[in-house]
Amino acid sequence: AQSVTQPDIHITVSEGASLELRCNYSYGATPYLFWYVQSPGQGLQLLLKYFSGDTLVQGIKGFEAEFKRSQSSFNLRKPSVHWSDAAEYFCAVGAANSGYALNFGKGTSLLVTP
Amino acid sequence: DAMVIQNPRYQVTQFGKPVTLSCSQTLNHNVMYWYQQKSSQAPKLLFHYYDKDFNNEADTPDNFQSRRPNTSFCFLDIRSPGLGDAAMYLCATSRDHTDTQYFGPGTRLTVL
Repeated sequence: AQSVTQPDIHITVSEGASLELRCNYSYGATPYLFWYVQSPGQGLQLLLKYFSGDTLVQGIKGFEAEFKRSQSSFNLRKPSVHWSDAAEYFCAVGAANSGYALNFGKGTSLLVTP
Repeated sequence: DAMVIQNPRYQVTQFGKPVTLSCSQTLNHNVMYWYQQKSSQAPKLLFHYYDKDFNNEADTPDNFQSRRPNTSFCFLDIRSPGLGDAAMYLCATSRDHTDTQYFGPGTRLTVL
């Protein structure tokens, strides 16, 4: 069965510290992958995406993610977190053989402390 | 330069009183989606349109209907809202099925 796992429900980091949010997937076909961010009461904003090519992708707001096929992972990273990064982060995965369906992880809530 | 617009942002309705949520897009995308997101949960796809073709998820309740009168607009109708239907409803669009989905800001539905 296709699945997306975000192992960390909550993460707390200090402002200025580095960040890594984990995402693992289980898909039979080659996936395409996204990270979205959601602030309280808001919609989802696309941070970055991977379809093919370079496995290290750069996104907005200084985020990057690396697709590792051997580990079935697509972890999100940021070298220095800002207080405004506090939000909910969703990893989403789709595949050509699943057509339109994007499968979302349950999300990771990021808290940034002073 | 809003690309996916949802109205209203907040909607309060009474138990059993029909409600319609609106989504419009300026991207001229072929596909429009409706998601339901309950508190502290991931978005769940209800249905989508590819152009005029409607596709319902197998577990979407019959209480939820949708209309897409033209490329730009899509509506979510909840015929008889229950307390369990209180959620954030997200509209998204994509150029094609396997392209990036762009989300609107959502409509927060409260059922009294």
